[in-house]
Amino acid sequence: SAVISQKPSRDICQRGTSLTIQCQVDSQVTMMFWYRQQPGQSLTLIATANQGSEATYESGFVIDKFPISRPNLTFSTLTVSNMSPEDSSIYLCSVKGQGRQETQYFGPGTRLLVL
Amino acid sequence: GESVGLHLPTLSVQEGDNSIINCAYSNSASDYFIWYKQESGKGPQFIIDIRSNMDKRQGQRVTVLLNKTVKHLSLQIAATQPGDSAVYFCAEKVWGGSYIPTFGRGTSLIVHP
Repeated sequence: SAVISQKPSRDICQRGTSLTIQCQVDSQVTMMFWYRQQPGQSLTLIATANQGSEATYESGFVIDKFPISRPNLTFSTLTVSNMSPEDSSIYLCSVKGQGRQETQYFGPGTRLLVL
Repeated sequence: GESVGLHLPTLSVQEGDNSIINCAYSNSASDYFIWYKQESGKGPQFIIDIRSNMDKRQGQRVTVLLNKTVKHLSLQIAATQPGDSAVYFCAEKVWGGSYIPTFGRGTSLIVHP
């Protein structure tokens, strides 16, 4: 399995500001995913980030609100823009297992509180 | 016992008991299933998986059972320990299909010493 790290691990932000979350993987991976997990809830996919192409967003998520970068095969960022208290959540980076592995592996998450 | 809280169903057990966490999946085409454990303040960790050509798979202290007829999955934890306290998610997908699994609602397991 891949080792995934995220920065920051947590943050408290003011409404109207933006926060960029970084995800670093210890191996090259083709596909990276960003999830949101609201308190006490399951995981909701925000977007899939492939290196060299624009991210693919799920229904209900747009690029203007959640811009994503994927500059290389080991790194991605997710920005939460113009934040409101409703954006308070855990944001998780995930990668698919190597080769024919179908399992996804997750980072530790970034805990965001918007005041 | 098992109860449904405001958000997640909760299962409370005594240390040393066996725990059974259940999951009903929705897509009859799903043929690959994964259980994740999410401890407080951490991301989900892979526990065990099973493909639909099996109805049982065992790991270390954990067993996953799959009943395709009723689209039901369960995770059994033997001799539950306080360190097993976490939220457990099941996920389903079609092997070789979309890379994105569908995650279940999650069950909170509380182990009392």
